[in-house]
Formats: sequence, C-alpha cells, structure tokens
Amino acid sequence: ETGVTQTPRHLVMGMTNKKSLKCEQHLGHNAMYWYKQSAKKPLELMFVYSLEERVENNSVPSRFSPECPNSSHLFLHLHTLQPEDSALYLCASSQWSEAADTQYFGPGTRLTVL
Amino acid sequence: GQNIDQPTEMTATEGAIVQINCTYQTSGFNGLFWYQQHAGEAPTFLSYNVLDGLEEKGRFSSFLSRSKGYSYLLLKELQMKDSASYLCAVRDSNYQLIWGAGTKLIIKP
Repeated sequence: ETGVTQTPRHLVMGMTNKKSLKCEQHLGHNAMYWYKQSAKKPLELMFVYSLEERVENNSVPSRFSPECPNSSHLFLHLHTLQPEDSALYLCASSQWSEAADTQYFGPGTRLTVL
Repeated sequence: GQNIDQPTEMTATEGAIVQINCTYQTSGFNGLFWYQQHAGEAPTFLSYNVLDGLEEKGRFSSFLSRSKGYSYLLLKELQMKDSASYLCAVRDSNYQLIWGAGTKLIIKP
C-alpha cells in the first residue's frame, strides 16, 4: 500500500534541532491529518487540513508547526522539542464528506527526542 | 467528556473466534470505524458502521448498537497474521474522530 507515504521513517533529534516531517498522498483526497501516537494511548489528532486550509488545531504546542502547500503534501516542522514529544507521528488523508470520511494512514515517523 | 473504551489486551487461539468490544460516550454520532494496526505499521481500515446491525466482510464482521453505545469486531478462523492491535474510533457531531486506545490481540498456535 503506497497511497500515503511519509519520510523519514525514523528520526532522532536533540532538543535544539530543527527538523521537518513530510507526508504525501497519492489518493486524490481533499483532507490531510497529523496524529501523534504514544504507547497505550489513543491517537491524538494534532492538525487537520481540508482543501489546504487548516481547520483544526487541538491545542498543540507551538514547537510543532504544520504546512500544507497543496492537497497532496503535508509537512510538520519541529523545533525545540521535548523528550515527551518522542512518539510515532502518523499522517493520514481522506475524501472528506458528511456521509463518510475513511482515513488512510501512512507508515509513520518514529521520532526520538534526546 | 468523550470516551471510547476497549479491552487493553486479548488472547485467542489460532482457528478460533474472538470478539473485541468497544463502548463509547460521545457528543453525537456519525459513524464508527475499526482499524487494524500491526506493530510498527500504519493503521489500516477494516470496517465502517453507521446504522445498527452487522456488517460482514470475509472473516471479519462488525456490529453496532447506537442505543447502547456499543460495537464489536468479530474475527473468525483466526490466523497468526491477525495478531495486531485493533482500534475503535467514533465520528462525533463535529465529524471529528474520537479514538480508543486499541486492543492488542495475541494469537497462540
């Protein structure tokens, strides 16, 4: 399944580094999402973009900054992270409608903050 | 608050049947999803229920009762490859997905 791709797959960074996560969807969808997945916790929705406009920002710290240049690409810019930000970061896309909204996920980026 | 409850872990035997339950309390309801996630991989879509009743898809079936705030995922003829986490998610009145923490299913020979 290569509908949603993410790079890098693994990332180790120090607390003072700046890095970016990239997501690309090849499904022609109109919405893209960033999630954080920590062990034994529910998926946490971070950001939603619909038609390239950000429609959700669930009180995410400003050290996470999303960018959606077009409907196929999504970035998550990271700076001055904390060790508790270590987690799996998942990107997803969907063809959003009120009737249904099945999200398709990328493989994730495993982030470790030292 | 909004809440999705699933068992943390379940164990079953290869070839058997297992039922994974999900109960929810959400502000509104616009559908319920089940996803499968193998360790280190992306969640993959299994099923979607918006009306009461049973939806069957091969070895997997999903049931919904909106009045009881309850769903289950039924897996038949279990195979070793079914060892994974199973995530329940409900779409609330704002069309936002509320996720459960997932049920880790362990299949033994």
